[in-house]
Amino acid sequence: QSALTQPRSVSGSPGQSVTISCTGTSLDVGGYNYVSWYQHHPGKAPKLIIYNVIKRPSGVPDRFSGSKSGNTASLTISGLQAEDEADYHCSSYATSYTLLFGGGTTLTVL
Amino acid sequence: QVQLQESGPGLVRPSETLSLTCAVSGYSISSGYYWGWVRQPPGKGLEWIGSIFRSGGVYYMPSLKSRVTISVDTSNNQFSLELNSVTAADTAVYYCARRDYDNNFDIWGRGTLVTVSS
Repeated sequence: QSALTQPRSVSGSPGQSVTISCTGTSLDVGGYNYVSWYQHHPGKAPKLIIYNVIKRPSGVPDRFSGSKSGNTASLTISGLQAEDEADYHCSSYATSYTLLFGGGTTLTVL
Repeated sequence: QVQLQESGPGLVRPSETLSLTCAVSGYSISSGYYWGWVRQPPGKGLEWIGSIFRSGGVYYMPSLKSRVTISVDTSNNQFSLELNSVTAADTAVYYCARRDYDNNFDIWGRGTLVTVSS
């Protein structure tokens, strides 16, 4: 099982939108609606921001949204704010109770 | 408020065994959920290590399965990780986390850096 593929970095200006992709296979991302996204500020615990592809936990702003098409899931952050600058990791269920993570994407708010 | 806290040595010698414990407060492990370990090597992404259910059902990342043991201690409300025959490639920040039934890690510890070096 290989890690899911994410871009190493993305950037955007305050107020703009950015999208981070997460590509897997039909055995993980494409096969299940168990894709999650985590926001990770250095030195802190990762925070769940999207689960089951499109759902947001209580307290997560609706500026964060998730989607999936085929073997690729995406996280879109609209109305970028300075505090959104962080690493973002995707995760997917991948059969037999195993999980895969992506390599992580660093978001820079210009 | 559910909280998780990792503890264990920050330095392990090559070929030895890495041992970490995760203390859970604010929730009884025996009440449900899966409890797992995730690590992040320097400069790399997160990697799932394994998860254990309250009753002891355990699942491991296939690539680590031969070296990993995760166990649960419901009497002390904690769970543990053992990784044997470690090498420098096992140097990472190790996180413990609660995994829900939709395969999300909804609560995480702050993480602990473990360095493998002689």
